[in-house]
Parts: sequence; structure tokens; C-alpha cells
Amino acid sequence: KQEVTQIPAALSVPEGENLVLNCSFTDSAIYNLQWFRQDPGKGLTSLLLIQSSQREQTSGRLNASLDKSSGRSTLYIAASQPGDSATYLCAVEYGNKLVFGAGTILRVKS
Amino acid sequence: EAQVTQNPRYLITVTGKKLTVTCSQNMNHEYMSWYRQDPGLGLRQIYYSMNVEVTDKGDVPEGYKVSRKEKRNFPLILESPSPNQTSLYFCASSDGANYGYTFGSGTRLTVV
Repeated sequence: KQEVTQIPAALSVPEGENLVLNCSFTDSAIYNLQWFRQDPGKGLTSLLLIQSSQREQTSGRLNASLDKSSGRSTLYIAASQPGDSATYLCAVEYGNKLVFGAGTILRVKS
Repeated sequence: EAQVTQNPRYLITVTGKKLTVTCSQNMNHEYMSWYRQDPGLGLRQIYYSMNVEVTDKGDVPEGYKVSRKEKRNFPLILESPSPNQTSLYFCASSDGANYGYTFGSGTRLTVV
């Protein structure tokens, strides 16, 4: 069964800290891995897409890595800001669908 | 602007009254899909479509129908809604490989 796990489930940090969100998946036969952000009651905003042949992607203060052999991805957020507070979702693409993790709820305190 | 548009954003209905949630994308994507999001269960795929007139079941298709008569539109139909279909629904489209999935803003459905 294809499962995606995200650790930690929740994280509270002071503004300015660098932080790492973890995602692990059981089936390494992935097409892509995508990180999303979701604000309460809102839609999903794509942050980064890592294709299966890639090892990492960067966008601004965000960096995502992918290790297919170990079934892991990490999302690194540098110099966190209160505006980064949201739920972060890891989604692994298998064939015709995305399998989502349960998310990490991030709170950045000012 | 590239986007996936869902309507309505909020809907309250009664058990058994047929409803349709519309989804439209302007990116000429062949692939479209529907997900529902529930507390403790996360996001789960309902149906997907690889192209016009090509649809297939996802993980939780019971109680739902879809159609894909045009490339840009992929409506979700609940012919006899029940309270257990109360959820937050998302439509998504994808170009297949290069840019990943784009999601709509969601439809919050309450069935009473």
C-alpha cells in the first residue's frame, strides 16, 4: 500500500529560525513529489515540484530534497516568518493520482 | 492567469437533492481529478480523467459521478447526496510531468 508520512505533525518556532519538515513514502516508484501549502479552510498552493530524476529544488527561502532510494523528502524553510504559518502537505505522485501525507501544521511566532 | 476554477465555493444542501460542482481549467491540461479532504483522513482521490471521455475511479468513488465532455471542464455530480459526503472538495489538473498539479480553491459542501 502506498503511504506517505509527515513528521512532525505540528511545529511551533520563533520567527527567524530555520526549520526542516520531513516526508517519507513507502513505495519508491514515484513520478514526482510535490510540496503544498494550505491555509485554514483554503486551497492548496504549490510550493515546489521535484521530478523523480531530480534531487532537489529551490524557490526563494524554500529548498526541497528527494531521496527515492530511502523514500524520503525534506522541505527546508530558511529564516521563518509569521506569514509562513500554515499546513504543509507532501504529495507523492503515483501514476494517476497523488497520495498525500497528513501534513505538518507550522506556527511561526513573532 | 493559469488557474483551476471551482463553483460554488460553499454549498449547503439536503439529503437526496442532486447537485453538481463545476470545475474548469484554462491550461489545456489533459489530466483532471477530484479529491475530498476530511479531518483525520486527509486528501483522497474520488475520480480522475486522462482526457476527454476518459474517466476512472479513484480511491473513494462511491456516491459520485463525473463527466469529461470538454477538455477544460470536469464536473463532479452527486446524484443523491448523503451526510457522509459533507467535506471539502478540490479539483485539480496536471500537465503530466513538468509543472505538477494545480488545485482549485475548494468547495465546502454540507449535506444535512
